[in-house]
Amino acid sequence: DTAVSQTPKYLVTQMGNDKSIKCEQNLGHDTMYWYKQDSKKFLKIMFSYNNKELIINETVPNRFSPKSPDKAHLNLHINSLELGDSAVYFCASSRPGVGGYTFGSGTRLTVV
Amino acid sequence: AQTVTQSQPEMSVQEAETVTLSCTYDTSESNYYLFWYKQPPSRQMILVIRQEAYKQQNATENRFSVNFQKAAKSFSLKISDSQLGDTAMYFCAFMDSNYQLIWGAGTKLIIKP
Repeated sequence: DTAVSQTPKYLVTQMGNDKSIKCEQNLGHDTMYWYKQDSKKFLKIMFSYNNKELIINETVPNRFSPKSPDKAHLNLHINSLELGDSAVYFCASSRPGVGGYTFGSGTRLTVV
Repeated sequence: AQTVTQSQPEMSVQEAETVTLSCTYDTSESNYYLFWYKQPPSRQMILVIRQEAYKQQNATENRFSVNFQKAAKSFSLKISDSQLGDTAMYFCAFMDSNYQLIWGAGTKLIIKP
């Protein structure tokens, strides 16, 4: 009964490949997010989706594209992977109000 | 722009001691929410404690408590009777009126046996 689940947990791939990370939440939350955590542990918001509408899109390369087939899923697709994309990617969800975010366990992406 | 500052990159204490992690923030909003998240070596992000700005009473969760000073824009986390399992990165976060979280850079806490 995992609240926010991400797959895969680890992903090793070569430069230039295209990959996807999947995220699902069973909390009934309205908003889902993707974060990137770099090697210095800094958390950077990439995207958020509210009721299938993109409401934040920070200065993220357009090689990254979020895809939300429904309110419970927000997948992250990455084209033409680069070495600098190596990081831990977190999915999270929230509902309006004070509850804070619930995070998935993260996906460690390594581009070689 | 709203910012969150954690001035202690790393701290270490002996098991069973009390430790306080500092966090300051900058905002012009009057109603907001503050959080502390913990990220152990397993990398899972875990909500430790939250505080509503309109509440004067400091939040407490078992061994974890905060010292919320609204006028000073300070939100420190106190961990009492520290345990080895408290070893983790601790992130302070501010939630703005759009329910977006603004994060501090984190404090690495090491509990020594």
